[in-house]
Amino acid sequence: QVHLQQWGAGLLKPSETLSLTCAVYGGSFSGYYWSWIRQSPGKGLEWIGEINHSGSTNYNPSLKSRVTISVDTSKNQFSLKLSSVTAADTAVYYCASATVSLYYGMDVWGQGTTVTVSS
Amino acid sequence: SYELTQPPSVSVSPGQTARITCSADALPKPYAYWYQQKPGQAPVLVIYKDSERPSGIPERFSGSSSGTTVTLTISGVQAEDEADYYCQSADSSGTYRVFGGGTKLTVL
Repeated sequence: QVHLQQWGAGLLKPSETLSLTCAVYGGSFSGYYWSWIRQSPGKGLEWIGEINHSGSTNYNPSLKSRVTISVDTSKNQFSLKLSSVTAADTAVYYCASATVSLYYGMDVWGQGTTVTVSS
Repeated sequence: SYELTQPPSVSVSPGQTARITCSADALPKPYAYWYQQKPGQAPVLVIYKDSERPSGIPERFSGSSSGTTVTLTISGVQAEDEADYYCQSADSSGTYRVFGGGTKLTVL
């Protein structure tokens, strides 16, 4: 069973770049899409983007200009970078895995990282 | 942009059946997924491929699809089912995922 452990800076200033990493334990890196999702305080879920083991990416069109998702298969990790953050990017950020066996439903989630953007 | 519309809230008494709808704004509609989220916790996948249930999810959770609308049904609702529920699908080209706005299920 796949397990995800995520980490990254929790406090940023406006205009800085958010950087989070998610490590994958207990499963193959192939056959999955690896996603990032966020949730602003008191709000719903927002999908940010995803990547597969070969580096193919899909991004939310509303964030695409600021988002980069990358994968390091040697470390079984994938990462999120979000540039030029503002207070609107304050949220809990989750990594998640979507497996082909569940038609790419996101069945395993990281513990979440709270990111606050404040001057 | 592709949107999924859910009712903000649904209330039921214990033992009753809760139905939460999710309407897409266009066809074709790719597969839909449902997630349960309790306060302070990460979401949990409860339905995939419109109506399939992952291992470990109780049988009282079921999903269905008709036209541009998918429905999550919880039969014999229990107090522990009180949570926010989100539908998720993808745009017609399958290139990006979309979440509905979420539905707060209250068990009276």
